[in-house]
Amino acid sequence: KQEVTQIPAALSVPEGENLVLNCSFTDSAIYNLQWFRQDPGKGLTSLLLIQSSQREQTSGRLNASLDKSSGRSTLYIAASQPGDSATYLCAVRGRDDKIIFGKGTRLHILP
Amino acid sequence: KAGVTQTPRYLIKTRGQQVTLSCSPISGHRSVSWYQQTPGQGLQFLFEYFSETQRNKGNFPGRFSGRQFSNSRSEMNVSTLELGDSALYLCASSLALGLAGMIHEQFFGPGTRLTVL
Repeated sequence: KQEVTQIPAALSVPEGENLVLNCSFTDSAIYNLQWFRQDPGKGLTSLLLIQSSQREQTSGRLNASLDKSSGRSTLYIAASQPGDSATYLCAVRGRDDKIIFGKGTRLHILP
Repeated sequence: KAGVTQTPRYLIKTRGQQVTLSCSPISGHRSVSWYQQTPGQGLQFLFEYFSETQRNKGNFPGRFSGRQFSNSRSEMNVSTLELGDSALYLCASSLALGLAGMIHEQFFGPGTRLTVL
């Protein structure tokens, strides 16, 4: 049974710092992994999607990597800004087509 | 291009009642998924529809059901509501589902906040 873990559950960093969010999964037989952000009381905004055949994806200040063999993905945020404060979620789509989400990392960027 | 829309945005019901939530996907998207989000359990997958067929189902009781129409719009229904059903229900759409080499990203709606009293 696929399990997705995100550590830490919460993180506070000063504005301008680079930071890394972690996502680990137990079953490496996946179709893809997707990173989202969620603002309080809102839906999810897709950030990056990495297919199982890919190693990384980049969008602006965001870079996501995928290492299937070790069951890990990281989301790198460069030059953090207060507007980056949100909860970041990773989701894995397994070969059974079920999508499993981690519990998220609550990020707070200190001005 | 309009995003995923969900109606209603907020709903208050009492135990034992039933509720129907609606989701309109992005134009051209044929796959719709539903999720339940609670503070304790996080985001949990309910079911996924593609071309009016349920393709996948999470581990929820039979009180939770759904359907998809020919225009890809989807509804989910919860019967005999319980206090524990209070949650944010999220709908997501994607272009395709599980087609070889075409696993598309999901786009989420704003959610329906259901409160059961």
